[in-house]
Amino acid sequence: GDSVTQMEGPVTLSEEAFLTINCTYTATGYPSLFWYVQYPGEGLQLLLKATKADDKGSNKGFEATYRKETTSFHLEKGSVQVSDSAVYFCALWPTGGGNKLTFGTGTQLKVEL
Amino acid sequence: DVKVTQSSRYLVKRTGEKVFLECVQDMDHENMFWYRQDPGLGLRLIYFSYDVKMKEKGDIPEGYSVSREKKERFSLILESASTNQTSMYLCASSLAGPRSDTQYFGPGTRLTVL
Repeated sequence: GDSVTQMEGPVTLSEEAFLTINCTYTATGYPSLFWYVQYPGEGLQLLLKATKADDKGSNKGFEATYRKETTSFHLEKGSVQVSDSAVYFCALWPTGGGNKLTFGTGTQLKVEL
Repeated sequence: DVKVTQSSRYLVKRTGEKVFLECVQDMDHENMFWYRQDPGLGLRLIYFSYDVKMKEKGDIPEGYSVSREKKERFSLILESASTNQTSMYLCASSLAGPRSDTQYFGPGTRLTVL
């Protein structure tokens, strides 16, 4: 079945550091890929998405590129802020839909001054 | 602004009690979902509903049931709560059709079963 694998956290960075959170997936066909973010005490919210190979999703300075050849969708940000501290979830929506997102286990990011 | 609300942020119940978790969305979404979130396991789908009075099992439905009598409201029911159901419960909703892949989440209910 479909699955998403994320790097384990927590990831601790200093403010203005470069961020990469790795995400790889297993699925048939061409799923849509997502990053959701969960700030402390809140539910998840969509951060960015990409629906086909080589698409780049971007939002709030975060970017991720859909790489079919490596089945990856790594999240990057050039300069993190304390306010980016949150848990980040990679997810996939299978080819043909089906009403079911498959989530990774989440990666906690802590940004310190 | 889209909104999904959950009836309680924190809930403490005793083993064997019947527990109701309520979720309401104001976006006229067709689809609604219940997940549980546990450390190291991410989000796991319990049940979802794609229409009023319709429901489908997710990955971990055992010990849970759901009810959707109105489009905006989706309830999760623990018939007889057990300690292994202590968890964070998240409700979500989405449109049907091509935009169904984007889900909107409530703030969660942290349930503790003693």
